[in-house]
Amino acid sequence: TQLLEQSPQFLSIQEGENLTVYCNSSSVFSSLQWYRQEPGEGPVLLVTVVTGGEVKKLKRLTFQFGDARKDSSLHITAAQPGDTGLYLCAGGNNAGNMLTFGGGTRLMVKP
Amino acid sequence: GAVVSQHPSRVICKSGTSVKIECRSLDFQATTMFWYRQFPKKSLMLMATSNEGSKATYEQGVEKDKFLINHASLTLSTLTVTSAHPEDSSFYICSASPRISGRAHEQFFGPGTRLTVL
Repeated sequence: TQLLEQSPQFLSIQEGENLTVYCNSSSVFSSLQWYRQEPGEGPVLLVTVVTGGEVKKLKRLTFQFGDARKDSSLHITAAQPGDTGLYLCAGGNNAGNMLTFGGGTRLMVKP
Repeated sequence: GAVVSQHPSRVICKSGTSVKIECRSLDFQATTMFWYRQFPKKSLMLMATSNEGSKATYEQGVEKDKFLINHASLTLSTLTVTSAHPEDSSFYICSASPRISGRAHEQFFGPGTRLTVL
């Protein structure tokens, strides 16, 4: 069974601060997705990384896939209240047809 | 693109009744559809995986007779919660993987269905 540990579970910061969310596993994943979910809605795909060491940027968000494809990080620069939500990482299995979700990081950005 | 809809978005039913939730991929064909359950402030828990025209694969601990899944076409999957009880109250979310080479590992999620069983 593949497991993904996400940390921190909860993060409350002030607007303008930077933060990093981590996603770690002892298993290798073929891909790693990051999602953001708001209350009462489904998760929205932010990014997919598939190559070890890959770095992708989405405005103030920077995503990195570990060299060994076992871990990933999400870094947010100058967080804004609109970034508030539940961030979920999910690893794709080798067959590429199933996702294993991390436990989620609940981010609150205060104005 | 890659829009997934769910209907209904919210349903309240009496204990003992059955509830059907629909999941549709609106602008793409889905090789596979997934059904998840999410408890308050928790991550997603995979319930079952379904491929069009075949029986769903259920995760350990999920009763297949309780949660009936039908994947009638490449754009529609349904989840029926049979003889619902209050403990079945939850947020149910579906997702779909596009039938596009190189993108089968991506899942696009519906907006979820909030089920409340009285």
